[in-house]
Amino acid sequence: SAVISQKPSRDICQRGTSLTIQCQVDSQVTMMFWYRQQPGQSLTLIATANQGSEATYESGFVIDKFPISRPNLTFSTLTVSNMSPEDSSIYLCSVGSGRGETQYFGPGTRLLVL
Amino acid sequence: EDQVTQSPEALRLQEGESSSLNCSYTVSGLRGLFWYRQDPGKGPEFLFTLYSAGEEKEKERLKATLTKKESFLHITAPKPEDSATYLCAVQAVGATNKLIFGTGTLLAVQP
Repeated sequence: SAVISQKPSRDICQRGTSLTIQCQVDSQVTMMFWYRQQPGQSLTLIATANQGSEATYESGFVIDKFPISRPNLTFSTLTVSNMSPEDSSIYLCSVGSGRGETQYFGPGTRLLVL
Repeated sequence: EDQVTQSPEALRLQEGESSSLNCSYTVSGLRGLFWYRQDPGKGPEFLFTLYSAGEEKEKERLKATLTKKESFLHITAPKPEDSATYLCAVQAVGATNKLIFGTGTLLAVQP
């Protein structure tokens, strides 16, 4: 399976600021995804990062709040904009294998918003 | 609405004491069911994919089974290093690869 890294691994931010999270994969992949894991809750898909086109967002998530870039087949970024304490969470990127059914996850970025 | 429910929320076992974790699901059409292991401070680690009722997969002390409504993760003679949160997820047909996760079972194996 692909080796996935994320930067930063953790951060503490002030409300109203923005943070950009990077996801790097060691091989080219067609499908990349961004998930959120809030304390005590299940992982929730934010969006699918599409190479060469706009990301596809799930219900309840909007581009203005979570802009995503996918400049090539090995890299993606997720920005958490105008943060509030409710954005404190673990943010995870994943990549799909083959037809995309099985997804492999990065180590996550732990965000605390004060 | 597609949904995944895992039970129990937490399970404490003695080393060597076998048990099972449950994952009940409701999905319009099942494309795949997935088991992951998550250690504290890390991302989920892929364990198994099951595609159809009756399918079974094994890896060391773990065996995953699938019926039309639920999946079980059987842990045989667990060791302390099996302690982790076990996550179940489903993918629906036509859902463009979206995984729907349960909230997980926190397993603690005591020596």
